[in-house]
Amino acid sequence: AAGVIQSPRHLIKEKRETATLKCYPIPRHDTVYWYQQGPGQDPQFLISFYEKMQSDKGSIPDRFSAQQFSDYHSELNMSSLELGDSALYFCASSLYPETGASGNTIYFGEGSWLTVV
Amino acid sequence: AQKITQTQPGMFVQEKEAVTLDCTYDTSDPSYGLFWYKQPSSGEMIFLIYQGSYDQQNATEGRYSLNFQKARKSANLVISASQLGDSAMYFCAMREGTGNTDKLIFGTGTRLQVFP
Repeated sequence: AAGVIQSPRHLIKEKRETATLKCYPIPRHDTVYWYQQGPGQDPQFLISFYEKMQSDKGSIPDRFSAQQFSDYHSELNMSSLELGDSALYFCASSLYPETGASGNTIYFGEGSWLTVV
Repeated sequence: AQKITQTQPGMFVQEKEAVTLDCTYDTSDPSYGLFWYKQPSSGEMIFLIYQGSYDQQNATEGRYSLNFQKARKSANLVISASQLGDSAMYFCAMREGTGNTDKLIFGTGTRLQVFP
């Protein structure tokens, strides 16, 4: 079965550079989430989209932006990179929770490892 | 306040034995979902099992079962017949909110080591 596809898998950038991560959700999934997982940390919610509209926002720095396109893929853009942005970035997808939180599983991609040097 | 609490930073279990990983949660929302994910050293986040707040029976998926005690707000993961490949970090997560506020909140994880 098709899974969540993330690219690139690994990325090395210098401080103050810009990075873009891409995410292709599971076919027919209409909700995309982005998470950041620092070394030894649990994943932290950044932002989510439903039907190409931003639906919720977590601890996402102002230097980061994201969008979901008409084909439902999503991109996370990170500018003015800092050393502390080095982390594993996950994209996840799900069906919209029509009947409350119970129900649809959220599936994660394999993650994109970002190293800022 | 911490919404998902995993009090075991690390656990050891011998191969073929069963192990229980603890998870307690806190929410005032009557509708929520509880998930367990496995994260091996390679980094991917693998879905293991799900329990809905209205589910009457404990969830099971192969060697994984979820001991759901709603009154105590606990959702412990039981892995039976442990295998060396089960060595990984395990995260408990809660999905709460509906519509625009829906998202997963993670605990701090438990690192499981399976030894021969």
